[in-house]
Amino acid sequence: NAGVMQNPRHLVRRRGQEARLRCSPMKGHSHVYWYRQLPEEGLKFMVYLQKENIIDESGMPKERFSAEFPKEGPSILRIQQVVRGDSAAYFCASSPTAGANVLTFGAGSRLTVL
Amino acid sequence: GDSVTQMEGPVTLSEEAFLTINCTYTATGYPSLFWYVQYPGEGLQLLLKATKADDKGSNKGFEATYRKETTSFHLEKGSVQVSDSAVYFCALSDRNSNYQLIWGAGTKLIIKP
Repeated sequence: NAGVMQNPRHLVRRRGQEARLRCSPMKGHSHVYWYRQLPEEGLKFMVYLQKENIIDESGMPKERFSAEFPKEGPSILRIQQVVRGDSAAYFCASSPTAGANVLTFGAGSRLTVL
Repeated sequence: GDSVTQMEGPVTLSEEAFLTINCTYTATGYPSLFWYVQYPGEGLQLLLKATKADDKGSNKGFEATYRKETTSFHLEKGSVQVSDSAVYFCALSDRNSNYQLIWGAGTKLIIKP
């Protein structure tokens, strides 16, 4: 069991470009969560998805950010027209059922916007 | 709103020293409390948890007690090893959701041989 796989681990983008971060949940997990960690801060919840459905996107910025978890393939966090303030570590977690007690996290993707 | 405050790092100790990493929280109601650890290059791993007041979570020699009177959940270990070097995160479960966690900023621990 490979655990939660995130890629790329490091991504550098210039302002105005698009960033795509991928998350493959653990085998058998159908719930995926994205968190963001800004420098010197704790992780902040962004979005919770199940296969093909967004369950809770209350932590997502209203513009430029979107997430999906298609029937086949990994979950994608997409950031359009990146700005320097998007520079952060983005963590993905998965669980077999909904519940904070059973989250398994990936190693994170670090986005740097030049 | 709910929040978690951890002691700032890095914390540098010698091998076999006693470890305390402070964590205090602000919350309405009775959240569950967690410690996660991130070893270099790896994902966040649940280290221990406590779900109600006076519960003690323990794992791998680490302990933390849910203290409602002081709103604290300090992480302790009696004798640290070099392999304990990592970043430690304190978190609580959001009262409105059983999948959102509210996190401290993390404390980097460095253990020197």
